[in-house]
Amino acid sequence: GENVGLHLPTLSVQEGDNSIINCAYSNSASDYFIWYKQESGKGPQFIIDIRSNMDKRQGQRVTVLLNKTVKHLSLQIAATQPGDSAVYFCAEAFNNAGNMLTFGGGTRLMVKP
Amino acid sequence: ETGVTQTPRHLVMGMTNKKSLKCEQHLGHNAMYWYKQSAKKPLELMFVYNFKEQTENNSVPSRFSPECPNSSHLFLHLHTLQPEDSALYLCASSQEVALAGPPDTQYFGPGTRLTVL
Repeated sequence: GENVGLHLPTLSVQEGDNSIINCAYSNSASDYFIWYKQESGKGPQFIIDIRSNMDKRQGQRVTVLLNKTVKHLSLQIAATQPGDSAVYFCAEAFNNAGNMLTFGGGTRLMVKP
Repeated sequence: ETGVTQTPRHLVMGMTNKKSLKCEQHLGHNAMYWYKQSAKKPLELMFVYNFKEQTENNSVPSRFSPECPNSSHLFLHLHTLQPEDSALYLCASSQEVALAGPPDTQYFGPGTRLTVL
């Protein structure tokens, strides 16, 4: 699948547990952060985003937390399901920058039944 | 599915070949993108088109030549590639290139897995 060869951090969780995926971003001036999910054989799929003037945003079963002090972003998935198994990427962007995204290296989430 | 299709899904080519990758979006978007996803690097933006006009070339070698005949179709013409160009090439689209405010959400196709021998 995608990213074979890239030494991705891997998180292995039991089905039903909560998952926390972390991302350290590079630019303290970034205005906007996005989480993408990439399943095997598919392209990245938007999950949730957050603006830099927020520190938390919730979606359906997912929560993104932003800590600008240490340039850290996390994605929390509640009640992890087998369908959540994928590679998760964070991306950062600036306002007024023409949709330019800078992606992180990704984390592989494996859900054990 | 995301509404973005790519063909072919897999391509093997020699270094002297010429081939093209095709992307089509059925979302009514006006911006389209090419990305490279290789085994050793994070996802890299290559080209951006907004209303058929190229707005970004991220220092991509000239052996990659994009073409955007209309807002629904995007091509990537390949010639004289190198083995290190082997990667997954992803196409994406968004409503348009947001010149102000946060970026528009990008929707990705499944990619073309390219192997250069």
